[in-house]
Amino acid sequence: KNQVEQSPQSLIILEGKNCTLQCNYTVSPFSNLRWYKQDTGRGPVSLTIMTFSENTKSNGRYTATLDADTKQSSLHITASQLSDSASYICVVSFRTGTASKLTFGTGTRLQVTL
Amino acid sequence: NAGVTQTPKFQVLKTGQSMTLQCAQDMNHEYMSWYRQDPGMGLRLIHYSVGAGITDQGEVPNGYNVSRSTTEDFPLRLLSAAPSQTSVYFCASSPDRGRTEAFFGQGTRLTVV
Repeated sequence: KNQVEQSPQSLIILEGKNCTLQCNYTVSPFSNLRWYKQDTGRGPVSLTIMTFSENTKSNGRYTATLDADTKQSSLHITASQLSDSASYICVVSFRTGTASKLTFGTGTRLQVTL
Repeated sequence: NAGVTQTPKFQVLKTGQSMTLQCAQDMNHEYMSWYRQDPGMGLRLIHYSVGAGITDQGEVPNGYNVSRSTTEDFPLRLLSAAPSQTSVYFCASSPDRGRTEAFFGQGTRLTVV
């Protein structure tokens, strides 16, 4: 069964600190891995998309890594800001006959405090 | 640039009532999908469409119907609402049959009493 597991479930950090969120997946056949940011009461917004051949991808202060061999990914947030407070969702895309489908993790809820 | 627009944002239904959640996108994406988000669970796919006139079931389709008469619109119909359908519903669209970035609407929070 295709699954995406994220850790930790929640995290509290001080503004300005760095943090790393983890994602493990068992999805086949793998198409790509995405990280989304979801603010409270809003829809998810894409941060990065990585294919099998990509190890690292950055988007500003967000850097995602992918190890396709061990089926692990991480999202590193540098110099956190209050606006980074949100849920971060790891999503793995897999191919079916007519289209690609997405398997979602349950997310890591990040709170950045003063 | 509106992106993906969902209406309504909030809705309360009584058990047994029917309603339609609206979703429209202005990016000319061929692929559209509906998800539900429940506490402690990842988003789950209800129905999806790879183009006008083509729809298919996702992971949790029971109790929901969809149609796709135009590229822009993909409404989700609840036939006879049940408390188990209390959830937050998201519509998403993407180009390239879902292989690339998905754009999500703001969500509809539905409560069935």
